Amino acid sequence: DAKTTQPNSMESNEEEPVHLPCNHSTISGTDYIHWYRQLPSQGPEYVIHGLTSNVNNRMASLAIAEDRKSSTLILHRATLRDAAVYYCILRDPITGFQKLVFGTGTRLLVSP
Amino acid sequence: EAQVTQNPRYLITVTGKKLTVTCSQNMNHEYMSWYRQDPGLGLRQIYYSMNVEVTDKGDVPEGYKVSRKEKRNFPLILESPSPNQTSLYFCASSFSFFGSGANVLTFGAGSRLTVL
Repeated sequence: DAKTTQPNSMESNEEEPVHLPCNHSTISGTDYIHWYRQLPSQGPEYVIHGLTSNVNNRMASLAIAEDRKSSTLILHRATLRDAAVYYCILRDPITGFQKLVFGTGTRLLVSP
Repeated sequence: EAQVTQNPRYLITVTGKKLTVTCSQNMNHEYMSWYRQDPGLGLRQIYYSMNVEVTDKGDVPEGYKVSRKEKRNFPLILESPSPNQTSLYFCASSFSFFGSGANVLTFGAGSRLTVL
């Protein structure tokens, strides 16, 4: 079965960069890698996605390993509002065409 | 405003009393899905739907039913709820199937269900 592996938690100070890793060695060859985050008491929200090359948007950057078996979400300057649980999401096409695997995510703690 | 709306947001019920959690999206999305979130287990997919009348099981479908009679609605049905279905439930939708291109999931605010 498809699986994502992320550290349970990470800590950062405000204004510092944060690198959140995800291992997804079972990813399908043509699938995009998606990252979402869940702020306290809210539903998950989209952060960024990419296929092979590194991606940037206003929220974050995504660095994808050359073999695509891992990726790193980069928050360039963490703020208190970035404290959330971050999920990388994988499709599991072997067990279901649109079956998605979230994993347990990484809880990011940001200190002032 | 583009959104996914779930109702009810909070519900306390008793074992065996059938209930339905509704989910509606106003973005003309083809793909919709349900998830449950439990402490220490993260988000787990229950069911998904690729389009009207097309549904399939996710990771934890036991004890749940779904239907997709209209494109905008995807209700989650618990025919005979049990205490182990006490959880936080999320509905989500996207333009097309996940994994390809820029198909981003939009989540609802969640429905907290307690089964006594």
